[in-house]
Amino acid sequence: EAGVVQSPRYKIIEKKQPVAFWCNPISGHNTLYWYLQNLGQGPELLIRYENEEAVDDSQLPKDRFSAERLKGVDSTLKIQPAELGDSAVYLCASSPRQGGSYNEQFFGPGTRLTVL
Amino acid sequence: QQQVKQSPQSLIVQKGGISIINCAYENTAFDYFPWYQQFPGKGPALLIAIRPDVSEKKEGRFTISFNKSAKQFSLHIMDSQPGDSATYFCAATRKGNTPLVFGKGTRLSVIA
Repeated sequence: EAGVVQSPRYKIIEKKQPVAFWCNPISGHNTLYWYLQNLGQGPELLIRYENEEAVDDSQLPKDRFSAERLKGVDSTLKIQPAELGDSAVYLCASSPRQGGSYNEQFFGPGTRLTVL
Repeated sequence: QQQVKQSPQSLIVQKGGISIINCAYENTAFDYFPWYQQFPGKGPALLIAIRPDVSEKKEGRFTISFNKSAKQFSLHIMDSQPGDSATYFCAATRKGNTPLVFGKGTRLSVIA
C-alpha cells in the first residue's frame, strides 16, 4: 500500500512569490493534517481536515496561508506571499476514520521550502 | 507555552549501549503518548506508543516508561545500533484524531 505522497519534495523561491504544496493521503484515510517543521524542532500543526471540512485551523496564519481539500481526498497548502521565515519542511499526515480509539498518524516525506 | 518538553537535545551512545530520552508534559488531558523516529529526508514514523493506564510498554529493544503522577515518560533503546541513529520525537495527544503535540526532538548518534 502506498504511503502519504507529497510533492514537490523541494522548492526554492524568492520572497514575496507564491508557492503551493500537494498531498495525497493514504487511501481511505478521512483525516488529513498539515504540519510545519522548523529546523531542529518538532512538527507543529497548521490545519486538520475531517473529510473536506477544516476542523482545526487555529494555528494557520490566514493572512498568507490557505488550504483546501476538495472531495475529501487530496489537499493543497498555499502560501502567498512567502516570507523568509516560511523556510521549513511542510509535512502532510493522514489517519483512518475518527473514532473512539487512538489512530496512528502516517506522515509523508515532506516538502522542504527555501525562501531566498 | 511548550506543552511537551524533551531532553536531551542530542545524545551520543556507544554501540550496544542504552539510549535514554526523557519527556515531560503539562496537559493532564493528554492520554496517548507515542514516540516517533525520523531519518533525514523522511517524515516521522511511529515507533512505539503508550497509554497512561500502564507504566511500561516494551517492543523488542524499545521500552517506554510512564510516570503519570510526575507527568513524565521516557524511551529506552537497549543494545543501541548504528541503524538507530535518527531524531526521536516524543508526542502527546488525546483520543480520536486530535493533533499530535511534539517535543523538540533528540538527535541520537550511535557510534561503533
